[in-house]
Amino acid sequence: DGGITQSPKYLFRKEGQNVTLSCEQNLNHDAMYWYRQDPGQGLRLIYYSQIVNDFQKGDIAEGYSVSREKKESFPLTVTSAQKNPTAFYLCASSSQELRPGEQYFGPGTRLTVT
Amino acid sequence: AQSVSQHNHHVILSEAASLELGCNYSYGGTVNLFWYVQYPGQHLQLLLKYFSGDPLVKGIKGFEAEFIKSKFSFNLRKPSVQWSDTAEYFCAVKGNTGKLIFGQGTTLQVKP
Repeated sequence: DGGITQSPKYLFRKEGQNVTLSCEQNLNHDAMYWYRQDPGQGLRLIYYSQIVNDFQKGDIAEGYSVSREKKESFPLTVTSAQKNPTAFYLCASSSQELRPGEQYFGPGTRLTVT
Repeated sequence: AQSVSQHNHHVILSEAASLELGCNYSYGGTVNLFWYVQYPGQHLQLLLKYFSGDPLVKGIKGFEAEFIKSKFSFNLRKPSVQWSDTAEYFCAVKGNTGKLIFGQGTTLQVKP
């Protein structure tokens, strides 16, 4: 059963701590993405990776970091430098060959920082 | 910069009413257009897409959208909504950057 998994579903952290959100896909997709979803603002792109060992900043990359050491995995670290980290984070993947432009989304992680 | 605007932030309809959600984008070149839907507690999923050809595209669950190039619009329609259509709807555009740009989202509430 192919898809994207994100864990955990809910995450709570204290201010000043870094936290890493997991994203795994078994769709054999080359590209992976991280979005942040805030009420009334839609989805905003944080980072994306079109191939293993390569990634690019999206529109709101400040305070975040990523790695892409394996095709299946694209973890996102929310650092203490992110000024407003409480949000719903969505991971997505796509295949330019199979369905160009179409992204498949995971269930999301809701991060609360207090 | 490319941008996407959804006109309605919150729409409330009764069952069997017709639906039209507005979406306008700012990019003037070749675009791919999408509508995604997020049902309560579920993943964001693709509703329909337009790449080329017939500007009237049909998606899942009776939804359709019309691409009007001269108006930079891609409005979503459904002739008769059901309670199960209650969800948040996102319009998205893929232009020359290759990235998907999303609108702010429209929350649809259908009253039984």
